[in-house]
Amino acid sequence: DIQMTQSPSTLSASVGDRVTITCRASQSISSWLAWYQQKPGKAPKLLIYKASTLESGVPSRFSGSGSGTEFTLTITSLHPDDFATYYCQQYSSYWTFGQGTKVEIK
Amino acid sequence: EVQLVETGGGLIQPGGSLRLSCAASGFTVSSNYMTWVRQAPGKGLEWVSIIYSAGTTYYADSVKGRFTISRDSSKNTLSLQMNALRAEDTAVYYCARASYNVGCCSFDSWGQGTLVTVSS
Repeated sequence: DIQMTQSPSTLSASVGDRVTITCRASQSISSWLAWYQQKPGKAPKLLIYKASTLESGVPSRFSGSGSGTEFTLTITSLHPDDFATYYCQQYSSYWTFGQGTKVEIK
Repeated sequence: EVQLVETGGGLIQPGGSLRLSCAASGFTVSSNYMTWVRQAPGKGLEWVSIIYSAGTTYYADSVKGRFTISRDSSKNTLSLQMNALRAEDTAVYYCARASYNVGCCSFDSWGQGTLVTVSS
């Protein structure tokens, strides 16, 4: 089974900050990686797929990069609406999520 | 507009059975890959099962042999039959459409979820 590890688990930031979340796979997953945003009591929302492709309607301040085993999600300038939990997901072999990164207000 | 609405959750005793349904609108369930993902209270996301448009199904090891995914083309719905339920199956269950973009799959549309609580 492929394990996904996100860091940090919690991130404190302010509006306007540049935020980077890292996701590491236990083995190479090529670019078969997605990122989701989830707010409390709500369903996850797809942000990025194939490591770096922005889902339609997602603001351009979100970007993804990486391949193989190391990936990053970057928010260039944090908006108030971006405080949420973010999950990475691999789909190279079955489907596995990272444990999540909570972005909270500093 | 794509919409998914889950129903069927509730309180069930350990060892019991429950059937979740997911009604879709704005697209055809049988022409798409569809999946179930669950989230235990305060925890992360866990993939549960997927059904391909051709009918092929896959399950997480944690539910294999106990859960069955299916679809009803006439009603445009997805279902998850859950048997031999355990306390650790307690979670919000989401249905989602699985998007095939060369590789399979990211999950591009989600329902609001339905809570299953397994407790005596």
